[in-house]
Amino acid sequence: AQSVTQLDSHVSVSEGTPVLLRCNYSSSYSPSLFWYVQHPNKGLQLLLKYTSAATLVKGINGFEAEFKKSETSFHLTKPSAHMSDAAEYFCVVSAYNNNDMRFGAGTRLTVKP
Amino acid sequence: DTGVSQNPRHKITKRGQNVTFRCDPISEHNRLYWYRQTLGQGPEFLTYFQNEAQLEKSRLLSDRFSAERPKGSFSTLEIQRTEQGDSAMYLCASSLGGLAGAWEFFGPGTRLTVL
Repeated sequence: AQSVTQLDSHVSVSEGTPVLLRCNYSSSYSPSLFWYVQHPNKGLQLLLKYTSAATLVKGINGFEAEFKKSETSFHLTKPSAHMSDAAEYFCVVSAYNNNDMRFGAGTRLTVKP
Repeated sequence: DTGVSQNPRHKITKRGQNVTFRCDPISEHNRLYWYRQTLGQGPEFLTYFQNEAQLEKSRLLSDRFSAERPKGSFSTLEIQRTEQGDSAMYLCASSLGGLAGAWEFFGPGTRLTVL
């Protein structure tokens, strides 16, 4: 079985400062890991994914995440927050070729001017 | 638009009524998924189809829920005798199955409110 824990339910940053959204995972198999973003009244959008290739994954809109097996973590970062980054972010784990994607509870990112 | 579409976007119904939602996946995607998302929570898996075959159902999917994908294209999710606890966002996603690292494209969701 697999699961994810998003360590912060809410993160607030100032525009132009770095973003760190934390995610720890648990999986019995080699996991695939994803970050999705959900803006209000919009569908879930894939930011990036890790599938056992490079451990540092670059996504859209300047986001990246690093897979650290020793720490069972897949934290999402961005060097400089933009107002448009304010949204709900979900960390997701799926076992290799498994259809059961498990979502974390989400982290709400607020960006202050 | 080549994304996943869902209709209706919003549905308000009275307790005890039946409702049906539709999902149109990305045309070449053979897998289709339904999720439910309640306020403040991440999406929870309900069921998925490989072409027209329903291959997996979550225990969250009670016998009041039924999903179909008759021709392996669009899918419908029906809830019979709705209850207030059914109020949630119902999300549909599609993907190309069988590929390592295949990921899902999500639709905008149908928000159900049961009064």
